[in-house]
Amino acid sequence: DADVTQTPRNRITKTGKRIMLECSQTKGHDRMYWYRQDPGLGLRLIYYSFDVKDINKGEISDGYSVSRQAQAKFSLSLESAIPNQTALYFCATSEVGAIGSTDTQYFGPGTRLTVL
Amino acid sequence: DQQVKQNSPSLSVQEGRISILNCDYTNSMFDYFLWYKKYPAEGPTFLISISSIKDKNEDGRFTVFLNKSAKHLSLHIVPSQPGDSAVYFCAANSMDSNYQLIWGAGTKLIIKP
Repeated sequence: DADVTQTPRNRITKTGKRIMLECSQTKGHDRMYWYRQDPGLGLRLIYYSFDVKDINKGEISDGYSVSRQAQAKFSLSLESAIPNQTALYFCATSEVGAIGSTDTQYFGPGTRLTVL
Repeated sequence: DQQVKQNSPSLSVQEGRISILNCDYTNSMFDYFLWYKKYPAEGPTFLISISSIKDKNEDGRFTVFLNKSAKHLSLHIVPSQPGDSAVYFCAANSMDSNYQLIWGAGTKLIIKP
């Protein structure tokens, strides 16, 4: 079974609809992240959470909200979807790296969201 | 302003030869540089990283070189194999930004038989 799962894998919705993307992990990591990827661009961070009570905005948080329901679950919501939120969305997890190293992020398979 | 740049959208290499993927950055405060590999319909997977205090890190067929004066790093794959065909992302982070990863746009590597 995959360590980081995302549901749904694909979603087509209409402008103005509320959408929730879900992420679950079995790695036991405290840190979780939501990214979006657009063609020709790298991944951009939307929100991240270092533990259940810690939520932080990333580079492009406008139009999105998140909920960290448990250590293993991190949901991303689009309150009122718009066409320029059409993208590939990735959830990732990490644990704090050893001193002198950086933490490695582990990614889910992605959710392809299309907003018409 | 892109802090991490991968200027080659794609690269084609013969099987068995060396693949060299390049990445440039602008932020001299980056502490770590990472390479991730991504297959279609999958999330990125970690490949190799290097600390800013080093200039080389090697792991099997993969070697990353860091040239701080030029703000440039490269990933060498020797020898290239068909399974190496994927999109490769360069990413960097710093303690100042809570180790948030800043990503390049990716380079699609195609290994020709």
